[in-house]
Amino acid sequence: AQSVTQLDSQVPVFEEAPVELRCNYSSSVSVYLFWYVQYPNQGLQLLLKYLSGSTLVKGINGFEAEFNKSQTSFHLRKPSVHISDTAEYFCAVSDKTSGTASKLTFGTGTRLQVTL
Amino acid sequence: KAGVTQTPRYLIKTRGQQVTLSCSPISGHRSVSWYQQTPGQGLQFLFEYFSETQRNKGNFPGRFSGRQFSNSRSEMNVSTLELGDSALYLCASSLSASSSYEQYFGPGTRLTVT
Repeated sequence: AQSVTQLDSQVPVFEEAPVELRCNYSSSVSVYLFWYVQYPNQGLQLLLKYLSGSTLVKGINGFEAEFNKSQTSFHLRKPSVHISDTAEYFCAVSDKTSGTASKLTFGTGTRLQVTL
Repeated sequence: KAGVTQTPRYLIKTRGQQVTLSCSPISGHRSVSWYQQTPGQGLQFLFEYFSETQRNKGNFPGRFSGRQFSNSRSEMNVSTLELGDSALYLCASSLSASSSYEQYFGPGTRLTVT
């Protein structure tokens, strides 16, 4: 079984400032890692994913994340946020070895609030 | 290419009733997963279908069921509704059964049980 911990439920930040949203996971098997964003009254949109290879992953909208196996972390970063980045962000994992289609285990989410 | 569509978008039901939600995946996608999102429990996996077969199931009571048709469209049914079933139900489709494939989410169906 896997679990995902998002350490911050809310992160307030000023526009054009950098931001980091933290995610730690626990799993007895190898996992794939994902970050999703949810805007109000919408479904989830994939920001980026880590499957293998380079531990620094670049995604859409200027976001990037770094996989740290020793610390079992997958923190999301953006060097300069915009008002439009205000949304809920979810970290998720899926079991690499299950052989079935994606069954995602999500964290509880981090609300990013960008203000002027 | 059209995205994942879910119908209806909003639904109000009374305790004890049953409800059926529908999900049409992206054309060509054969895997469909369902998730329940609530403020208290967050996002929880309900079940996953691939080629009309349920391949995985989350920890939900038997009142929650689903099925997938030959055209990959999927429905989920909740019988004997309880107040705690009020939630946003999200459907996601994926090209393949592999867990490495990206899931594309629909906008969800907001179910309110009164």
